[in-house]
Amino acid sequence: GEDVEQSLFLSVREGDSSVINCTYTDSSSTYLYWYKQEPGAGLQLLTYIFSNMDMKQDQRLTVLLNKKDKHLSLRIADTQTGDSAIYFCAPANQAGTALIFGKGTTLSVSS
Amino acid sequence: GAGVSQTPSNKVTEKGKYVELRCDPISGHTALYWYRQSLGQGPEFLIYFQGTGAADDSGLPNDRFFAVRPEGSVSTLKIQRTERGDSAVYLCASSLTTDSPGELFFGEGSRLTVL
Repeated sequence: GEDVEQSLFLSVREGDSSVINCTYTDSSSTYLYWYKQEPGAGLQLLTYIFSNMDMKQDQRLTVLLNKKDKHLSLRIADTQTGDSAIYFCAPANQAGTALIFGKGTTLSVSS
Repeated sequence: GAGVSQTPSNKVTEKGKYVELRCDPISGHTALYWYRQSLGQGPEFLIYFQGTGAADDSGLPNDRFFAVRPEGSVSTLKIQRTERGDSAVYLCASSLTTDSPGELFFGEGSRLTVL
């Protein structure tokens, strides 16, 4: 089945850029998603990229996709303390029936 | 409703008991998903409904787990003979699209603790 790997922790200073990386095994995903989970809150969609795109920019967020290497990254520009959360990479499974989540990267932003 | 609603928000039960968890998806969303999230892990897929039918139940860990969605709206996840390893947050999500997962809207989850 689909396997999704992410680094577990990232610590940055306020104002710096954050880059969260993800590798996955199944290349058939049409869309690849990034979700955010804040303490005590549900998962929320952050952004997504279509599989035939290399890059997508959405305000402070930039998603890069290297489909050949099955590598997805999320860059957050001018990181704020409010960005502290767990970020999940979530490509679709091979059947296209569900999203498969990695373990998540905990982003800690210090002021 | 405005969002995905899950009840109960917390459930404490004893090993061996039967548990039901309910999910009320966003009105009009035909796709409904159950995930579970253990501490320090990402959400793990359990089952996907398209309308009333389970289109993919490959994530259910064993036959103690069962889910229904009889009228294509509210869904119930049923766990028989609960075990301590079933302790987790059970998440429900719904989606408007029919041909791919699309954007999933998650509820806040039902935290199950099996003593």
